[in-house]
Amino acid sequence: NAGVTQTPKFQVLKTGQSMTLQCAQDMNHEYMSWYRQDPGMGLRLIHYSVGAGITDQGEVPNGYNVSRSTTEDFPLRLLSAAPSQTSVYFCASSSYRGDAYNEQFFGPGTRLTVL
Amino acid sequence: QQPVQSPQAVILREGEDAVINCSSSKALYSVHWYRQKHGEAPVFLMILLKGGEQKGHEKISASFNEKKQQSSLYLTASQLSYSGTYFCGSTQGGSEKLVFGKGTKLTVNP
Repeated sequence: NAGVTQTPKFQVLKTGQSMTLQCAQDMNHEYMSWYRQDPGMGLRLIHYSVGAGITDQGEVPNGYNVSRSTTEDFPLRLLSAAPSQTSVYFCASSSYRGDAYNEQFFGPGTRLTVL
Repeated sequence: QQPVQSPQAVILREGEDAVINCSSSKALYSVHWYRQKHGEAPVFLMILLKGGEQKGHEKISASFNEKKQQSSLYLTASQLSYSGTYFCGSTQGGSEKLVFGKGTKLTVNP
Protein backbone atom coordinates (compact mmCIF):
# COMPACT_ATOMS: atom_id res chain seq x y z
CA ASN A 1 0.00 0.00 0.00
CA ALA A 2 1.22 3.46 -0.87
CA GLY A 3 -0.99 5.00 1.84
CA VAL A 4 -1.75 8.69 1.21
CA THR A 5 0.15 10.32 -1.63
CA GLN A 6 0.34 14.01 -2.48
CA THR A 7 1.69 15.77 -5.52
CA PRO A 8 3.55 17.97 -6.03
CA LYS A 9 5.91 18.11 -3.03
CA PHE A 10 6.91 21.69 -3.76
CA GLN A 11 5.27 24.40 -5.83
CA VAL A 12 5.89 28.09 -6.47
CA LEU A 13 3.06 30.16 -7.90
CA LYS A 14 2.59 33.77 -8.85
CA THR A 15 -0.29 35.75 -7.41
CA GLY A 16 -3.45 35.09 -9.39
CA GLN A 17 -2.42 31.75 -10.80
CA SER A 18 -4.56 28.68 -10.21
CA MET A 19 -3.48 25.14 -9.50
CA THR A 20 -4.63 21.81 -8.14
CA LEU A 21 -2.97 19.90 -5.32
CA GLN A 22 -3.48 16.19 -5.78
CA CYS A 23 -4.25 13.69 -3.02
CA ALA A 24 -4.88 9.98 -3.38
CA GLN A 25 -5.26 7.08 -0.96
CA ASP A 26 -5.39 3.35 -1.58
CA MET A 27 -6.91 2.24 1.73
CA ASN A 28 -10.56 2.58 0.72
CA HIS A 29 -11.10 5.23 3.40
CA GLU A 30 -14.39 7.08 3.45
CA TYR A 31 -13.10 10.22 5.13
CA MET A 32 -10.58 12.56 3.49
CA SER A 33 -9.55 16.04 4.46
CA TRP A 34 -7.21 18.91 3.67
CA TYR A 35 -5.32 20.90 6.29
CA ARG A 36 -2.95 23.81 6.01
CA GLN A 37 -0.13 24.33 8.47
CA ASP A 38 1.35 27.72 9.21
CA PRO A 39 3.88 28.57 11.95
CA GLY A 40 2.15 28.94 15.30
CA MET A 41 -1.29 28.16 13.88
CA GLY A 42 -1.34 24.39 14.07
CA LEU A 43 -3.30 22.36 11.54
CA ARG A 44 -6.34 24.16 10.18
CA LEU A 45 -9.07 22.27 8.37
CA ILE A 46 -9.82 23.58 4.87
CA HIS A 47 -12.34 21.09 3.44
CA TYR A 48 -13.32 17.54 4.16
CA SER A 49 -15.32 14.70 2.63
CA VAL A 50 -17.13 11.79 4.22
CA GLY A 51 -17.52 9.88 0.96
CA ALA A 52 -17.60 10.14 -2.81
CA GLY A 53 -19.83 13.00 -3.90
CA ILE A 54 -19.95 14.58 -0.43
CA THR A 55 -17.81 17.52 0.60
CA ASP A 56 -18.09 20.21 3.25
CA GLN A 57 -16.23 23.27 4.46
CA GLY A 58 -13.79 23.32 7.31
CA GLU A 59 -12.43 26.25 9.30
CA VAL A 60 -10.65 28.12 6.50
CA PRO A 61 -12.33 27.26 3.16
CA ASN A 62 -12.13 30.63 1.39
CA GLY A 63 -10.09 30.56 -1.80
CA TYR A 64 -10.17 26.77 -2.10
CA ASN A 65 -12.44 24.29 -3.89
CA VAL A 66 -12.64 20.52 -3.60
CA SER A 67 -14.47 17.67 -5.24
CA ARG A 68 -14.69 13.95 -4.49
CA SER A 69 -15.68 12.01 -7.59
CA THR A 70 -14.04 8.78 -6.43
CA THR A 71 -13.23 7.24 -3.04
CA GLU A 72 -9.51 7.37 -3.82
CA ASP A 73 -8.98 10.99 -4.90
CA PHE A 74 -9.57 14.33 -3.21
CA PRO A 75 -7.96 17.23 -5.14
CA LEU A 76 -7.70 20.73 -3.69
CA ARG A 77 -8.00 23.64 -6.12
CA LEU A 78 -6.62 27.10 -5.53
CA LEU A 79 -8.75 29.38 -7.67
CA SER A 80 -6.59 32.52 -7.69
CA ALA A 81 -3.49 32.13 -5.55
CA ALA A 82 -2.66 34.81 -2.98
CA PRO A 83 0.48 35.24 -0.83
CA SER A 84 -1.67 34.43 2.23
CA GLN A 85 -2.03 30.89 0.85
CA THR A 86 1.69 30.26 1.24
CA SER A 87 1.69 27.25 3.53
CA VAL A 88 2.30 23.54 3.90
CA TYR A 89 -0.75 21.53 2.87
CA PHE A 90 -1.51 18.10 4.27
CA CYS A 91 -4.08 15.64 3.01
CA ALA A 92 -5.36 13.00 5.42
CA SER A 93 -7.66 10.01 5.25
CA SER A 94 -9.26 7.62 7.69
CA SER A 95 -11.93 5.00 7.98
CA TYR A 96 -15.11 5.75 9.87
CA ARG A 97 -16.55 3.26 12.33
CA GLY A 98 -20.07 4.61 12.42
CA ASP A 99 -19.72 6.86 15.42
CA ALA A 100 -16.14 8.13 15.23
CA TYR A 101 -13.11 8.37 13.03
CA ASN A 102 -10.26 5.95 13.27
CA GLU A 103 -6.66 7.13 13.07
CA GLN A 104 -5.85 9.72 10.44
CA PHE A 105 -3.19 8.84 7.88
CA PHE A 106 -1.44 11.96 6.63
CA GLY A 107 0.26 12.44 3.29
CA PRO A 108 3.82 13.82 3.13
CA GLY A 109 2.63 17.37 2.46
CA THR A 110 2.92 19.95 -0.29
CA ARG A 111 4.96 23.08 0.39
CA LEU A 112 3.39 25.95 -1.55
CA THR A 113 4.87 29.41 -1.99
CA VAL A 114 2.86 32.20 -3.61
CA LEU A 115 4.88 35.19 -4.76
CA GLN B 1 -13.53 25.76 16.93
CA GLN B 2 -9.92 24.85 17.67
CA PRO B 3 -9.21 23.04 20.94
CA VAL B 4 -6.77 24.84 23.22
CA GLN B 5 -3.49 23.15 24.09
CA SER B 6 -1.18 23.86 27.00
CA PRO B 7 1.64 24.40 27.50
CA GLN B 8 2.76 25.85 24.17
CA ALA B 9 6.25 24.48 24.69
CA VAL B 10 8.12 22.32 27.18
CA ILE B 11 11.76 21.35 27.57
CA LEU B 12 12.74 18.16 29.34
CA ARG B 13 15.82 16.15 30.14
CA GLU B 14 15.82 12.52 29.16
CA GLY B 15 13.92 10.45 31.70
CA GLU B 16 11.66 13.25 32.89
CA ASP B 17 7.88 13.24 32.59
CA ALA B 18 5.53 15.66 30.88
CA VAL B 19 1.81 16.28 30.60
CA ILE B 20 0.18 18.02 27.65
CA ASN B 21 -3.36 19.27 28.02
CA CYS B 22 -6.15 19.84 25.52
CA SER B 23 -9.43 21.56 26.29
CA SER B 24 -12.52 22.76 24.49
CA SER B 25 -15.34 25.15 25.21
CA LYS B 26 -17.75 22.76 23.50
CA ALA B 27 -18.70 19.20 24.38
CA LEU B 28 -16.20 16.74 22.97
CA TYR B 29 -17.07 13.46 21.34
CA SER B 30 -13.59 12.23 20.59
CA VAL B 31 -10.00 13.37 21.07
CA HIS B 32 -7.08 12.48 18.80
CA TRP B 33 -3.39 12.88 19.61
CA TYR B 34 -0.63 13.12 16.97
CA ARG B 35 3.09 13.85 17.01
CA GLN B 36 4.91 15.67 14.24
CA LYS B 37 8.65 15.83 13.78
CA HIS B 38 10.20 18.72 11.91
CA GLY B 39 9.62 18.49 8.17
CA GLU B 40 7.45 15.40 8.45
CA ALA B 41 3.74 14.58 8.50
CA PRO B 42 1.85 14.10 11.77
CA VAL B 43 1.79 10.54 13.08
CA PHE B 44 -1.03 8.94 15.05
CA LEU B 45 -0.59 8.36 18.79
CA MET B 46 -4.00 7.81 20.34
CA ILE B 47 -7.77 8.21 20.05
CA LEU B 48 -10.02 8.63 23.07
CA LEU B 49 -13.76 8.33 22.71
CA LYS B 50 -16.70 9.41 24.77
CA GLY B 51 -17.60 6.50 26.98
CA GLY B 52 -14.02 5.54 27.80
CA GLU B 53 -12.82 3.65 24.75
CA GLN B 54 -9.19 4.21 23.80
CA LYS B 55 -7.07 3.12 20.87
CA GLY B 56 -3.39 3.80 20.51
CA HIS B 57 0.21 2.87 21.01
CA GLU B 58 1.07 0.86 24.10
CA LYS B 59 3.72 3.23 25.42
CA ILE B 60 1.45 6.28 25.28
CA SER B 61 -1.17 7.04 27.91
CA ALA B 62 -3.87 9.66 27.94
CA SER B 63 -7.04 10.61 29.72
CA PHE B 64 -10.35 12.09 28.60
CA ASN B 65 -12.56 13.93 31.06
CA GLU B 66 -15.89 14.37 29.28
CA LYS B 67 -17.42 16.59 31.97
CA LYS B 68 -14.50 19.01 31.95
CA GLN B 69 -14.15 18.75 28.16
CA GLN B 70 -10.45 18.06 28.59
CA SER B 71 -7.88 15.50 27.59
CA SER B 72 -4.31 15.03 28.78
CA LEU B 73 -1.40 13.18 27.19
CA TYR B 74 1.12 11.66 29.60
CA LEU B 75 4.72 11.19 28.48
CA THR B 76 6.70 9.28 31.07
CA ALA B 77 10.42 8.55 31.18
CA SER B 78 10.90 10.69 28.10
CA GLN B 79 13.36 9.69 25.41
CA LEU B 80 15.14 11.83 22.82
CA SER B 81 12.78 10.39 20.20
CA TYR B 82 9.80 11.99 21.97
CA SER B 83 10.88 15.42 20.71
CA GLY B 84 8.44 17.01 18.30
CA THR B 85 5.21 18.94 18.19
CA TYR B 86 2.14 17.30 19.69
CA PHE B 87 -1.31 18.07 18.37
CA CYS B 88 -4.67 17.26 19.81
CA GLY B 89 -7.67 17.10 17.53
CA SER B 90 -11.28 16.87 18.49
CA THR B 91 -14.69 16.16 17.11
CA GLN B 92 -17.75 17.60 18.73
CA GLY B 93 -21.15 16.00 19.01
CA GLY B 94 -23.13 16.34 15.79
CA SER B 95 -20.12 17.48 13.76
CA GLU B 96 -17.96 15.44 11.42
CA LYS B 97 -15.13 17.96 11.48
CA LEU B 98 -11.84 16.90 13.04
CA VAL B 99 -10.26 20.14 14.23
CA PHE B 100 -6.75 20.43 15.66
CA GLY B 101 -5.18 22.71 18.23
CA LYS B 102 -2.08 24.85 17.68
CA GLY B 103 0.29 22.27 19.06
CA THR B 104 2.74 21.82 21.94
CA LYS B 105 6.44 21.75 21.10
CA LEU B 106 8.31 19.20 23.21
CA THR B 107 12.10 19.19 23.34
CA VAL B 108 13.92 16.38 25.11
CA ASN B 109 17.60 17.04 25.82
CA PRO B 110 20.28 14.49 26.82
